[in-house]
Amino acid sequence: GQNIDQPTEMTATEGAIVQINCTYQTSGFNGLFWYQQHAGEAPTFLSYNVLDGLEEKGRFSSFLSRSKGYSYLLLKELQMKDSASYLCAVMDSNYQLIWGAGTKLIIKP
Amino acid sequence: GAVVSQHPSRVICKSGTSVKIECRSLDFQATTMFWYRQFPKKSLMLMATSNEGSKATYEQGVEKDKFLINHASLTLSTLTVTSAHPEDSSFYICSAIAREYNEQFFGPGTRLTVL
Repeated sequence: GQNIDQPTEMTATEGAIVQINCTYQTSGFNGLFWYQQHAGEAPTFLSYNVLDGLEEKGRFSSFLSRSKGYSYLLLKELQMKDSASYLCAVMDSNYQLIWGAGTKLIIKP
Repeated sequence: GAVVSQHPSRVICKSGTSVKIECRSLDFQATTMFWYRQFPKKSLMLMATSNEGSKATYEQGVEKDKFLINHASLTLSTLTVTSAHPEDSSFYICSAIAREYNEQFFGPGTRLTVL
């Protein structure tokens, strides 16, 4: 079967760094997405990885290892507004997105 | 980036009526659109995948006669919730694949409340 795993909840301190991990098992691979979702809103696209390695975008970075079926989202210089759910999703060979359940990130002052 | 719109953003209807939700890609052609449903404090649940000009592919457990999907053009897909019941109250989100971007873009969502 197809499966995406990520932690349910994480807590971090304002100004710190946090890494949210995601492991996956899917039928085929056409890229891995990270999204941020605030309560009551649609998800916002953060990053897309299809090749191994680290992609950096400002305070956010995303890493992919296809051989290990593993990705992480790294958030630096955390701000209170970063409190949200972070969703990992993998696009399979049929271009369908397989979603993780999301990681609720709580930022404390 | 590309923009996906949904209309309406909020709708309240009586039990037994039908509601249509539109999803449009505003500045790109979307060969594939997805419809999701989100329950409170839960992740998105994929309902169906629609490809322009062909029938939608529904996920297991989703009633195709209740949730009618029509992907009439490369920029428009519609979801019709037929004979709505209170348990259909939810947040419905569409998204579209822009092949040239190899990326998925989400609409803002439609909150449906069935009384």
